[in-house]
Amino acid sequence: GAVVSQHPSRVICKSGTSVKIECRSLDFQATTMFWYRQFPKQSLMLMATSNEGSKATYEQGVEKDKFLINHASLTLSTLTVTSAHPEDSSFYICSARDRRNMNTEAFFGQGTRLTVV
Amino acid sequence: AQTVTQSQPEMSVQEAETVTLSCTYDTSESNYYLFWYKQPPSRQMILVIRQEAYKQQNATENRFSVNFQKAAKSFSLKISDSQLGDTAMYFCAFILGGSQGNLIFGKGTKLSVKP
Repeated sequence: GAVVSQHPSRVICKSGTSVKIECRSLDFQATTMFWYRQFPKQSLMLMATSNEGSKATYEQGVEKDKFLINHASLTLSTLTVTSAHPEDSSFYICSARDRRNMNTEAFFGQGTRLTVV
Repeated sequence: AQTVTQSQPEMSVQEAETVTLSCTYDTSESNYYLFWYKQPPSRQMILVIRQEAYKQQNATENRFSVNFQKAAKSFSLKISDSQLGDTAMYFCAFILGGSQGNLIFGKGTKLSVKP
């Protein structure tokens, strides 16, 4: 099946610094990718939709200046958490769907556990 | 707007027995797709099974099968011969046909398989 690679899987950073998370579709092209945040024992909360070649679409309540999303190619989207604070510590997951067949499932990255100290 | 509801926050089952996880959804559209995803402790989201709304036949993947009741907007997952490795969070998800948007997820059901 299709593969989405997310990197890094774990990251610890100091408060006030920025962290970049990459999401790559390895064997398909994705016009859109999705970024989720997941709190313990809860469902996935959509943060934003990453659109190739254009601005990301953010969900209500998500600060676009804090969570910068770039989708520079059909296989790569990045999420940068700027000026991270301990409350940003969480599990972040990306997903992508094959643009050749929008009736398929979404494929997920492995997730990134971010800890801000 | 479409919604997905999973009414069972937690369930448990004995190894080798059968368990059914419930999911209901709401939509006024007729062309859509339904999915069950599994999220084990590793937190990798894994597709378990998918169902096209236009198909009357229930999808089956080895020990996993669904009971798709379109009129009732119900999409339950049956796991037969439960194994310890089935212990995970299970999410029901929905998407409209042809949509480029994100999947809509239920809140999940935590399944524990006991030896």
